[in-house]
Amino acid sequence: QSALTQPASVSGSPGQSITISCTGTSSDVGAYNYVSWYQQHPGKAPKLMIYDVSTRPSGVSSRFSGSKSGNTASLTISGLQAEDEADYYCSSYTTSTTMAFGGGTKLTVL
Amino acid sequence: QQLLQESGPGLQKPSETLSLTCTVSSDSISSSNYYWGWIRQPPGKGLEWIGNIYYSGSTYYNPSLKSRVTISLHTSIKQLSLKLTSVTAADTALYYCVRLWSWAFDIWGQGTMVTVSS
Repeated sequence: QSALTQPASVSGSPGQSITISCTGTSSDVGAYNYVSWYQQHPGKAPKLMIYDVSTRPSGVSSRFSGSKSGNTASLTISGLQAEDEADYYCSSYTTSTTMAFGGGTKLTVL
Repeated sequence: QQLLQESGPGLQKPSETLSLTCTVSSDSISSSNYYWGWIRQPPGKGLEWIGNIYYSGSTYYNPSLKSRVTISLHTSIKQLSLKLTSVTAADTALYYCVRLWSWAFDIWGQGTMVTVSS
């Protein structure tokens, strides 16, 4: 059982927007602005897409955005493209000085 | 050039100690700006954080693995190591070496697969 809760799957058509939620507690997501998101294509290592809740690393498309409200963080992908089809994971720093991951969400582009 | 490159035995027998090494191709291994760590992913499953280490040697481990895990940093030879004792089939996974910055895993190695089987 993962520490953070994500939907198992989401889907959307090209050009649409989708949002993936990541629900934690006041000891992790709600405690700090240290939520990050990762994209993983099959057979590849995960790639950092968002850190500090809403900051994009250099080179990551502006179609990816992050936000947080209370104990729930969200990743939004706008203008969905076929290449966005992948698994997405959220992560958070915790008050126990540990790191927590969500169980992952499979994004299907219809 | 890959910044992080893991290496390991591939196949491990149950009850033995797993030892993995990660070679860091950067002087940032000695920087106070980063933590270094290990993450694993069982086949077909999600990511599991194993632990982090700071350049000072301070370590932080997943409570579920803490009794069996040791992470070490060898800055002079630019290597990070992982030792996991008393392995079982449940430890079969792809093990990633990672760099942490602002509590995000910004750099990942390609991963090394470890299978625990007799």
